Amino acid sequence: QVQLRQSGPGLLKPSQTLSLTCAISGDSVSSDSVAWNWIRQSPSRGLEWLGRTYYRSKWFNDYAVSVKSRITINPDTSKNQFSLQLNSVTPEDTAVYYCVRGAPLDYWGQGTLVTVSS
Amino acid sequence: DIVMTQSPDSLAVSLGERATINCKSSQNIFYSFNNKNHLSWYQQKPGQPPKLLIYWASTRESGVPDRFSGSGSETDFTLTINSLQAEDVAVYYCQQYYGIPYTFGQGTKLQIK
Repeated sequence: QVQLRQSGPGLLKPSQTLSLTCAISGDSVSSDSVAWNWIRQSPSRGLEWLGRTYYRSKWFNDYAVSVKSRITINPDTSKNQFSLQLNSVTPEDTAVYYCVRGAPLDYWGQGTLVTVSS
Repeated sequence: DIVMTQSPDSLAVSLGERATINCKSSQNIFYSFNNKNHLSWYQQKPGQPPKLLIYWASTRESGVPDRFSGSGSETDFTLTINSLQAEDVAVYYCQQYYGIPYTFGQGTKLQIK
């Protein structure tokens, strides 16, 4: 049974860096048949895919254009996890953030409410 | 980006009746290389992450009751819930995984009449 467990702070000030980690059990971040995604959800933007990392003989990343200049998703094979970094956050980045396996998006982390406020 | 548009935005159906939710993609999401529509449906209840119900437009995820079914192809898709149960009250989303970025519909809120 695949489980994704998220960790990271939930309150940030504008201009700070959002950092979240997703620990994987029951699968491997280095699997060559799946990808590992970050998705966020807010009332104003709905469900928004942010990016993914995946391994196909080497590591690849894809990012949404809306955050491409600010986002980094990194795998950590030693800990079987992957992370999200989003720089220079603003109140518009306030959302529930999910780590997700797929696609299709079959396993979701529990979600982390991240609030950006001065 | 592929735009996913759901209808209706909200729906009230009596217990035991059928609920139908539609989803339209702004472009064809049928991939000829694997002969599949890259479309999935999710159910989300308050305080929970979305749960995968249907993928490849019509394949039910393991453990999902058979009253849930998906149909459609290319740009027009439907989620049908037969014999509505109280526990089906939720928001339902369609999502395409044909191209990056993955995109979701705006959601349909299903309530009991």
